[in-house]
Amino acid sequence: QKEVEQNSGPLSVPEGAIASLNCTYSDRVSQSFFWYRQYSGKSPELIMSIYSNGDKEDGRFTAQLNKASQYVSLLIRDSQPSDSATYLCAVRSNFGNEKLTFGTGTRLTIIP
Amino acid sequence: ETGVTQSPTHLIKTRGQQVTLRCSSQSGHNTVSWYQQALGQGPQFIFQYYREEENGRGNFPPRFSGLQFPNYSSELNVNALELDDSALYLCASSLEVTASYGYTFGSGTRLTVV
Repeated sequence: QKEVEQNSGPLSVPEGAIASLNCTYSDRVSQSFFWYRQYSGKSPELIMSIYSNGDKEDGRFTAQLNKASQYVSLLIRDSQPSDSATYLCAVRSNFGNEKLTFGTGTRLTIIP
Repeated sequence: ETGVTQSPTHLIKTRGQQVTLRCSSQSGHNTVSWYQQALGQGPQFIFQYYREEENGRGNFPPRFSGLQFPNYSSELNVNALELDDSALYLCASSLEVTASYGYTFGSGTRLTVV
């Protein structure tokens, strides 16, 4: 079982709709959770972080965390063509070297 | 406040050669982490340096080595390059090892091994 799992996609969403991206993780001691956006040929850009159960909203983005189910999600409201990218889920255990463990990413395409 | 800078941006090397990649950490940050991102994959943790000492290592062979300097900048060295080493190499810095916030990555170095 992979430590962090994401559907690779591609996920196609009409412009203006809600895009829903999901991530599951295997390490129960994980404490910090992040979503990165990566455009083709560029480095990952941090867009959301979440540390406690529930929802966290930032503009059009909402991160959701359920530690009991070991599940993290990212919702993008009013999707724009500029949201087309690969979204990476990352998890950190907060022990030792604080390394991030990434999923393989979900490729999102917003259709105009 | 300057961000994380990496050099070079692109590099082409021949199998068997050695390569050095460089990272300048964000001002005031004493921890540097290196990641390798192969095409179509998520970044994989290589190692982390904290105050010039290695502080954790991922599942990479010893031919991947690093240094951190007194100014907290860092180098990643790869010896005996293999074709599978072709990847985007990312550097991230943080204020302390125990920083709970997400890392900000540099723009990366794209290494191609032929």
